Amino acid sequence: EPEVTQTPSHQVTQMGQEVILRCVPISNHLYFYWYRQILGQKVEFLVSFYNNEISEKSEIFDDQFSVERPDGSNFTLKIRSTKLEDSAMYFCASSETSANEQFFGPGTRLTVL
Amino acid sequence: EDQVTQSPEALRLQEGESSSLNCSYTVSGLRGLFWYRQDPGKGPEFLFTLYSAGEEKEKERLKATLTKKESFLHITAPKPEDSATYLCAVEPPGRRALTFGSGTRLQVQP
Repeated sequence: EPEVTQTPSHQVTQMGQEVILRCVPISNHLYFYWYRQILGQKVEFLVSFYNNEISEKSEIFDDQFSVERPDGSNFTLKIRSTKLEDSAMYFCASSETSANEQFFGPGTRLTVL
Repeated sequence: EDQVTQSPEALRLQEGESSSLNCSYTVSGLRGLFWYRQDPGKGPEFLFTLYSAGEEKEKERLKATLTKKESFLHITAPKPEDSATYLCAVEPPGRRALTFGSGTRLQVQP
């Protein structure tokens, strides 16, 4: 069964460093998303991406965040200068169309020291 | 502001003891309501989508229902492997961003 994959599973970084989280969405899906979940809190939407551009973003997704689809299979989230409060699980998701359910990856645990 | 409230926060059941989880929402013109299962340290696993009041979906021991203000996830004769956090999420009209509730943490004891 096709699934969304994410790498790395755990990333530890120093405050102020840049990190790139990687995702491989399900191959025939066209819509891609990033969410995050701070420990013990709700899953929160960050950004959605379609046709090589951002279609929607939340207030969390400020200038330090960016997304990219560098090739036909990968979808990345970059955090330019990490802060302690960026520590969270980051989930990538994809959907076939804008009307379908979103399928989530296993997540990347980001720890900022 | 769209709100999703799940109750109870935590639920402990004996194996075979049926129960229901609640998700109430305040969204104008709901486009879809989704149920996910999340195991510790893992990503949400899709269970059901409901689009209109009166709709029901079933999968094994789980059944999801939807009214105009809330959704229920009924668990019939649960097993220990059903232990997980169950998340409800809504999709407002014209948006793809899912708004999640805090989840119900279900523990099924043998």
